[in-house]
Amino acid sequence: KAGVTQTPRYLIKTRGQQVTLSCSPISGHRSVSWYQQTPGQGLQFLFEYFSETQRNKGNFPGRFSGRQFSNSRSEMNVSTLELGDSALYLCASSLNSQADPQYFGPGTRLLVL
Amino acid sequence: GEDVEQSLFLSVREGDSSVINCTYTDSSSTYLYWYKQEPGAGLQLLTYIFSNMDMKQDQRLTVLLNKKDKHLSLRIADTQTGDSAIYFCAERGSQGNLIFGKGTKLSVKP
Repeated sequence: KAGVTQTPRYLIKTRGQQVTLSCSPISGHRSVSWYQQTPGQGLQFLFEYFSETQRNKGNFPGRFSGRQFSNSRSEMNVSTLELGDSALYLCASSLNSQADPQYFGPGTRLLVL
Repeated sequence: GEDVEQSLFLSVREGDSSVINCTYTDSSSTYLYWYKQEPGAGLQLLTYIFSNMDMKQDQRLTVLLNKKDKHLSLRIADTQTGDSAIYFCAERGSQGNLIFGKGTKLSVKP
């Protein structure tokens, strides 16, 4: 089976712009979670989608949003970018329940100038 | 609150065993995980253990869980230079998300 794929792999934006990142889960997986990784804060949970519904949300401002499509693919959007949004954004997919292990994609590295 | 702690660095010689330690706070965690991250890459799931188990072995990897002390360890036997990476311990949070430690950077010297 193909693994989790994320596009684009690298992105450079300027402050105030918005960005959309895409994630395709492993075939058959219905849950997609997003994490932000920075040197200072480490890995932090953004949100989780299951069957097109947000099932869980971390402590990030409303500028961070996401959605999931009927084929389980997910997108996350960050509006009004700030310098501090520079990070590696990781997507993880899991089968169904929150007890299933999460498998991660390669990440999208976002640089905000 | 929910928190996971790990030491930041570990250096071993090729062929030795590596032991990476982790402590967690949520005693209700059902699963605990070990992930590996190589430079410029995402997280690779190495292994995971259910909270009613004390030990799990998978080839060169051995996971030990002390639930009373909320202590998890990952032992890598016969460590190779290709094992050099950052290793993350993670527990399931109360809402189902993963809560990660800061990661342990393993350096393997030839």
